[in-house]
Amino acid sequence: QVQLRESGPGLVKPSETLSLTCTVSGGSISNYYWTWIRQSPGMGLEWIGYVYYTGSTNYNPSLNSRVTISVDTSQNQFSLNVNSVTAADTAVYYCARRVTTKPMYCFDHWGPGILVTVSS
Amino acid sequence: AIQMTQSPSSLSASVGDRVTITCRTSQDIKSDLGWYQQKPGKAPKILIYTTSYLQSGVPSRFSGSGSGTDFTLTISSLQPEDFATYYCLQDYTYPLTFGQGTKVEIK
Repeated sequence: QVQLRESGPGLVKPSETLSLTCTVSGGSISNYYWTWIRQSPGMGLEWIGYVYYTGSTNYNPSLNSRVTISVDTSQNQFSLNVNSVTAADTAVYYCARRVTTKPMYCFDHWGPGILVTVSS
Repeated sequence: AIQMTQSPSSLSASVGDRVTITCRTSQDIKSDLGWYQQKPGKAPKILIYTTSYLQSGVPSRFSGSGSGTDFTLTISSLQPEDFATYYCLQDYTYPLTFGQGTKVEIK
């Protein structure tokens, strides 16, 4: 059974960089799109972006180039960096696996989520 | 980005009721829409993908329909474990976008 788990600091200071890692167990990281999604009371669920196992990426323009997502296939992990954070980046951050095998397009596995608070 | 309008934002219903939630998109997304269920403190869980395909293990009382810009999630007979928040997600184009959610509460 595939499992995902987010890890990283729960508190980040304004203007600094938020860094999270998602560890994938019980399955290979190959052949899937690995995604970050966040949820805040004010914004609901927001798709941040993905990294394909080959390293190709796609990001939400709303984050204005502050985001980098990378993959380490040797460790079965992928990571999220958001720089120049503000209080608006306070949210629960989820990692998820996206399936794109027609007709199945969905996020079929999610991590439990990690709350990240931006505060001095 | 494609805008998602989900309605209602909340509803109260009783066990056994038939419940319908709608999602409207700002442009044609063919059938590329999914529905997710989220319970407090938990990650969302996929119920239905590509408008009407039931995810493995999801009870058959859940169904989805629609195409183009108008989509519906139906729960045929609400069960106690169905009280949760439901989100639609358009999978047609990037950036992927979610509806704002429908909270289903006990009447």
